[in-house]
Amino acid sequence: DAMVIQNPRYQVTQFGKPVTLSCSQTLNHNVMYWYQQKSSQAPKLLFHYYDKDFNNEADTPDNFQSRRPNTSFCFLDIRSPGLGDAAMYLCATSRGGQGRNEQFFGPGTRLTVL
Amino acid sequence: GQQLNQSPQSMFIQEGEDVSMNCTSSSIFNTWLWYKQDPGEGPVLLIALYKAGELTSNGRLTAQFGITRKDSFLNISASIPSDVGIYFCAGQPISGGSNYKLTFGKGTLLTVNP
Repeated sequence: DAMVIQNPRYQVTQFGKPVTLSCSQTLNHNVMYWYQQKSSQAPKLLFHYYDKDFNNEADTPDNFQSRRPNTSFCFLDIRSPGLGDAAMYLCATSRGGQGRNEQFFGPGTRLTVL
Repeated sequence: GQQLNQSPQSMFIQEGEDVSMNCTSSSIFNTWLWYKQDPGEGPVLLIALYKAGELTSNGRLTAQFGITRKDSFLNISASIPSDVGIYFCAGQPISGGSNYKLTFGKGTLLTVNP
């Protein structure tokens, strides 16, 4: 089945220790997104890639970076995690282009910062 | 930016009851999406709406794209315990930037008592 996969599902890191979260997709979608979701809140967009074109949200901290080495994979790097970065991180994809553009989400990675 | 007002914030119902929730916006949207999120998981797309007045069903779920293009509702008929979760509306505005970004409502937490 075509899907969005996130690894790991649970990640524990120490304050200030860099961490990388990964996302892969078998949908062959052009657009990949990273969202941060805190408890009882809606997902908050951090950035997205249309193919290799990177689009950062204005309020995304510099501490968050992303890489998309190919169509299938996208990574979220948190350079120096703080306690406030503990959250669920969601990857999503969409086809891109004109017309229908539903976003499909992965299962998420729950990040704990000690 | 655009905001979506989703109501109610939470609902407590008995199994078998019907449920209705809605989203409104001060801006015109060209797409409305409804997602369900279970605890610890990513949002799952339930229904996508693309035309004003469109009424679409998915099993016991029915959603409509409002005629004014500024609102949408989701109905769940004959609720069952596995309907428990957070329901998010999301929309893509006609104006104001990328075709690919979604604006999310704050979610409706549904609890179903067996």
